[in-house]
Amino acid sequence: EDQVTQSPEALRLQEGESSSLNCSYTVSGLRGLFWYRQDPGKGPEFLFTLYSAGEEKEKERLKATLTKKESFLHITAPKPEDSATYLCAVGGSNSGYALNFGKGTSLLVTP
Amino acid sequence: SQTIHQWPATLVQPVGSPLSLECTVEGTSNPNLYWYRQAAGRGLQLLFYSVGIGQISSEVPQNLSASRPQDRQFILSSKKLLLSDSGFYLCAWSRIGTGNEQYFGPGTRLTVT
Repeated sequence: EDQVTQSPEALRLQEGESSSLNCSYTVSGLRGLFWYRQDPGKGPEFLFTLYSAGEEKEKERLKATLTKKESFLHITAPKPEDSATYLCAVGGSNSGYALNFGKGTSLLVTP
Repeated sequence: SQTIHQWPATLVQPVGSPLSLECTVEGTSNPNLYWYRQAAGRGLQLLFYSVGIGQISSEVPQNLSASRPQDRQFILSSKKLLLSDSGFYLCAWSRIGTGNEQYFGPGTRLTVT
């Protein structure tokens, strides 16, 4: 069974203090690893898809990387508007159309 | 560009009452459609998905049902709500095939009293 574990559960950063969020996964036949951002009371917003180990994607202050066992979401010089919950999900060859989501990391960036 | 709509945004219903949540997608054809539930402190749970009109697959046994009467319309229903049905319901779409990113709607907050 596919499993996704995100750490830490919560992270508090000062504005400008770079850090990384972790997504550890086990999956049979990775079809894709997905990162989302979710603001309170809203639906998740798609950020990145990674398909194979060594792949990297960047968007503004965010950079996602992938190994065979985990993915990292690096946040460089965060701003208060980066505060949100970040979700990781995987799709595997045995899971059909389903994505298996982690519980997320709640990020708070203070001025 | 593609847009996904959900309504209502919030809903408060008594136990035993019926439910109908609607989701529509604009700007794409033949999408895969999904219903998820997000409970406090838990990850997103896939409830149903559909790869075409009238084609519904259920991931979790429950008193909910789904229907897809049109290509870009997805409906979540219940005949009698339970307290445990409370949660944040999210509709999503993706391009056909597996391994594609899913795009989520704004969600419906359901409270069963």
